[in-house]
Amino acid sequence: GAGVSQTPSNKVTEKGKYVELRCDPISGHTALYWYRQSLGQGPEFLIYFQGTGAADDSGLPNDRFFAVRPEGSVSTLKIQRTERGDSAVYLCASSSDRLSSYNEQFFGPGTRLTVL
Amino acid sequence: LAKTTQPISMDSYEGQEVNITCSHNNIATNDYITWYQQFPSQGPRFIIQGYKTKVTNEVASLFIPADRKSSTLSLPRVSLSDTAVYYCLVGPGGFSGGYNKLIFGAGTRLAVHP
Repeated sequence: GAGVSQTPSNKVTEKGKYVELRCDPISGHTALYWYRQSLGQGPEFLIYFQGTGAADDSGLPNDRFFAVRPEGSVSTLKIQRTERGDSAVYLCASSSDRLSSYNEQFFGPGTRLTVL
Repeated sequence: LAKTTQPISMDSYEGQEVNITCSHNNIATNDYITWYQQFPSQGPRFIIQGYKTKVTNEVASLFIPADRKSSTLSLPRVSLSDTAVYYCLVGPGGFSGGYNKLIFGAGTRLAVHP
């Protein structure tokens, strides 16, 4: 079956612009996560959705970052007034909440964001 | 959440067995040990999870001593395609469903040479 997909695969923008990154989770997965990965580092947790609601947004770095999942499937990560420090790979992951390992999340290929 | 320490990088050759050790001295009673693999330009992929002793699947084996303060991921007979970053994670786990935000360290960069 289809895995987690993310679009676009690459996004180049200018400092101060607004960007949206999209995630399509595995069908039927109720849990969805966003992570950010800087070069040479492991992924860093941003936000977790259970269904339509953000159950844990403690990893969002500031109020320029916002994410939605209005119908409990596709999610969009939104970044306002982008800064050069926002440049990273943004990863989305999903998992099933039924009889699955607590720690088995399925990741997409990521969106590489470059802020010039 | 327990902190993990693992080597920054390792080198091996095709056909050899590779063992990557992870230290987690402050592991809690209900914590599991999970390993992920990440290839360039891809998201991490779950490899294996264990609580104690030994776990084996089609990809790897995970050895956990009785004190659980460390663990070793064993990759048998590696090939060039095993070149990747391997992450050791410690946190609540088990097959009970639910949610867990994964806390990644910098991982171990494994390079397999011909």
